[in-house]
Amino acid sequence: AQSVAQPEDQVNVAEGNPLTVKCTYSVSGNPYLFWYVQYPNRGLQFLLKYITGDNLVKGSYGFEAEFNKSQTSFHLKKPSALVSDSALYFCAVRDMEGSWGKLQFGAGTQVVVTP
Amino acid sequence: GAVVSQHPSRVICKSGTSVKIECRSLDFQATTMFWYRQFPKKSLMLMATSNEGSKATYEQGVEKDKFLINHASLTLSTLTVTSAHPEDSSFYICSAMGNNYEQYFGPGTRLTVT
Repeated sequence: AQSVAQPEDQVNVAEGNPLTVKCTYSVSGNPYLFWYVQYPNRGLQFLLKYITGDNLVKGSYGFEAEFNKSQTSFHLKKPSALVSDSALYFCAVRDMEGSWGKLQFGAGTQVVVTP
Repeated sequence: GAVVSQHPSRVICKSGTSVKIECRSLDFQATTMFWYRQFPKKSLMLMATSNEGSKATYEQGVEKDKFLINHASLTLSTLTVTSAHPEDSSFYICSAMGNNYEQYFGPGTRLTVT
């Protein structure tokens, strides 16, 4: 079965500093990995995905993620965080064993960017 | 493109009543939609997978008679919480799957049962 783990409940960073949100995965076969962001009382917004190809994936709002097969990680990064990046971030993996492409979500990481 | 709407965005109902939540894919057809439940500052819990024209597939532990799902068209799925109780209060999010197997999420519905 596919799964992802987000080891940090919360990440605090000062505005302008680099932001990293960690995610590790466990899959059988090739991983299809995603990052989503959620603002309060809103649905999920897609940030980026890794299917195949370059290990460094660039996404929306200046975010990027690096796929590392040896470490089974897919950490989300942003070189310079903004206060508006404060939100809940979810890593997800697509379940390719079952039908309909269900997503398995991590527990989420709350990002707090202070001015 | 790939916009998903939910209606209502917020609903308050009395215990024992039923409430229906709609999920629409506005600019694409979705043969498959998903319904999630999310508790405060927690991850999304998949409740069921809804396929157009067939019965929904419920995840383990989700009562199908309590959470009725209807996917009557390629752009609309509905979730009806029957005989709602305060413990059903939650944030319900739907997603619709496009032709590329990507999931596009709705903005969510906040249900409060008094």
